[in-house]
Amino acid sequence: DGGITQSPKYLFRKEGQNVTLSCEQNLNHDAMYWYRQDPGQGLRLIYYSQIVNDFQKGDIAEGYSVSREKKESFPLTVTSAQKNPTAFYLCASSNHRSTGSGNTIYFGEGSWLTVV
Amino acid sequence: EDQVTQSPEALRLQEGESSSLNCSYTVSGLRGLFWYRQDPGKGPEFLFTLYSAGEEKEKERLKATLTKKESFLHITAPKPEDSATYLCAVQAEWNTDKLIFGTGTRLQVFP
Repeated sequence: DGGITQSPKYLFRKEGQNVTLSCEQNLNHDAMYWYRQDPGQGLRLIYYSQIVNDFQKGDIAEGYSVSREKKESFPLTVTSAQKNPTAFYLCASSNHRSTGSGNTIYFGEGSWLTVV
Repeated sequence: EDQVTQSPEALRLQEGESSSLNCSYTVSGLRGLFWYRQDPGKGPEFLFTLYSAGEEKEKERLKATLTKKESFLHITAPKPEDSATYLCAVQAEWNTDKLIFGTGTRLQVFP
């Protein structure tokens, strides 16, 4: 089945640790995204990548890092510099780069990160 | 500043009781407006994209409409399985890489 796979579904992080969330897509989409969702707030963009080996910061990139070595994969690392990392993290992808038409963004099932 | 506001925050309906959810937006040139459905603990599921004022799209009991300032998601004769949070997002002409999301409307439909 085509889709976006995020893992793990649940992750616990100790203070001072870095953790990496995996995101893989087999939709052959060019663009991939990471969003963060907190209760009572809209989804906020962390990082996005339009092509392999290139990515841009979103609105809340501080304390996060990403890589895009393959078209199918866009892992997100939550570093110890992220002061409030407990949240629901959503990976997404879309078929178009920045073009004249609206490009629909499709989401994975999400990963819960909790700091313990 | 580009912004999306959804209302109401929460809505409780009896099965069969039709209603509408509102999404008001301000954006510097609208490229597209998107509706998603999100079940608890899951990722958002894409429903509709609307591109220009006057456009309408339908899917089962859902119908989305668009004006120059807002979009409505009409739910006709809802069923309990329609219970979810409905998210609205806009994409600006100046940055089609990014969706600006509202905080959602949490819909509960009771039998």
